[in-house]
Amino acid sequence: EAQVTQNPRYLITVTGKKLTVTCSQNMNHEYMSWYRQDPGLGLRQIYYSMNVEVTDKGDVPEGYKVSRKEKRNFPLILESPSPNQTSLYFCASSLTSGDYNEQFFGPGTRLTVL
Amino acid sequence: QKEVEQNSGPLSVPEGAIASLNCTYSDRGSQSFFWYRQYSGKSPELIMFIYSNGDKEDGRFTAQLNKASQYVSLLIRDSQPSDSATYLCAVKNSGNTPLVFGKGTRLSVIA
Repeated sequence: EAQVTQNPRYLITVTGKKLTVTCSQNMNHEYMSWYRQDPGLGLRQIYYSMNVEVTDKGDVPEGYKVSRKEKRNFPLILESPSPNQTSLYFCASSLTSGDYNEQFFGPGTRLTVL
Repeated sequence: QKEVEQNSGPLSVPEGAIASLNCTYSDRGSQSFFWYRQYSGKSPELIMFIYSNGDKEDGRFTAQLNKASQYVSLLIRDSQPSDSATYLCAVKNSGNTPLVFGKGTRLSVIA
């Protein structure tokens, strides 16, 4: 089944404890992206990747890191999480970043930072 | 700053009625337009996309695009309680540019 997977789905952690949220797609997509979704603020892009070893900042990159060593994986790293990073996170992928490509979303990761 | 504006709602319509969801965008260079549906706590899923001015129909859904006025709308005919969700408008410029999302309109279909 073609899909985007994320792990973990739910995570409660404490301030300053490094964590990684994994994202993997099995559709051979070039483009991958991370979003966070907060009430009243909608979906905001954190980082995106056009292809392997190519990443760039989105609208809200502060406090996050990403890497794209393989085409299928795009992990999101929080080196020192803070309570303002409590949010619902979505990974998404599309065939390319071109005009007419649908983005497929993962199931989401609900992160709580205490 | 490229903006996509939607009324947050909630928009309440009775079962069987037509629901009309609107979206305006600021970037005149926008080329492709998407409507996503998101149920509470779930991930967005694509309903429709439209690239050309005019109407595009898919079952009970019709997307309408007017580039001159910079708005795109989604009509849902014969609304069902299962259509109750948040509808996200997303807009993309040409080339390697990101998809920009509106904050969404919450639709409630009352049985």
